[in-house]
Amino acid sequence: QKEVEQDPGPLSVPEGAIVSLNCTYSNSAFQYFMWYRQYSRKGPELLMYTYSSGNKEDGRFTAQVDKSSKYISLFIRDSQPSDSATYLCAMSARGGTSYGKLTFGQGTILTVHP
Amino acid sequence: DAGVTQSPTHLIKTRGQQVTLRCSPKSGHDTVSWYQQALGQGPQFIFQYYEEEERQRGNFPDRFSGHQFPNYSSELNVNALLLGDSALYLCASSLDGGNIQYFGAGTRLSVL
Repeated sequence: QKEVEQDPGPLSVPEGAIVSLNCTYSNSAFQYFMWYRQYSRKGPELLMYTYSSGNKEDGRFTAQVDKSSKYISLFIRDSQPSDSATYLCAMSARGGTSYGKLTFGQGTILTVHP
Repeated sequence: DAGVTQSPTHLIKTRGQQVTLRCSPKSGHDTVSWYQQALGQGPQFIFQYYEEEERQRGNFPDRFSGHQFPNYSSELNVNALLLGDSALYLCASSLDGGNIQYFGAGTRLSVL
């Protein structure tokens, strides 16, 4: 079993829809939770990060962490065609041997069509 | 503010050869981490360099080695290339070995 599981999709939604992207994890030491966006043939771009539990909002993006369920989500409101990309969740521990080592999900391919 | 830069953007090598990839971290960052991303997969951690030393290592053979220079830039070396080494190699920079990492555009390595 992988430490981080992410549905690869693909996910196709109409412009303006609310998108929900999710990851589950098994390592209870994970404390940092990141979401990256990766356009085709480009490097991952850091969208948001959260430490420990709770919600964080940035414009049209909201990140949620539920540590009790080992489940994280990224919501995109009013989705745009320019949001079409692969979305990667990544996690890391606060300290110990996993500090500084990001563990990624497989990535979810999102297409927003006009 | 210069972001993470990697060179070259694309390389083609044959099996058994050796390759060196280069990375300059984001301005103000002192830590470089390297990842391998196979097609359709998330990046896999190779190792991290901080204060010119390998601080952490993922599950990669010792054919993969690296170096960090006093100016914080880094190199990734891969010896005895295998077909399975074909991937996008990503460099990420952070501060003080931290978890908030910013990625470069990557080097696409093709092994024939």
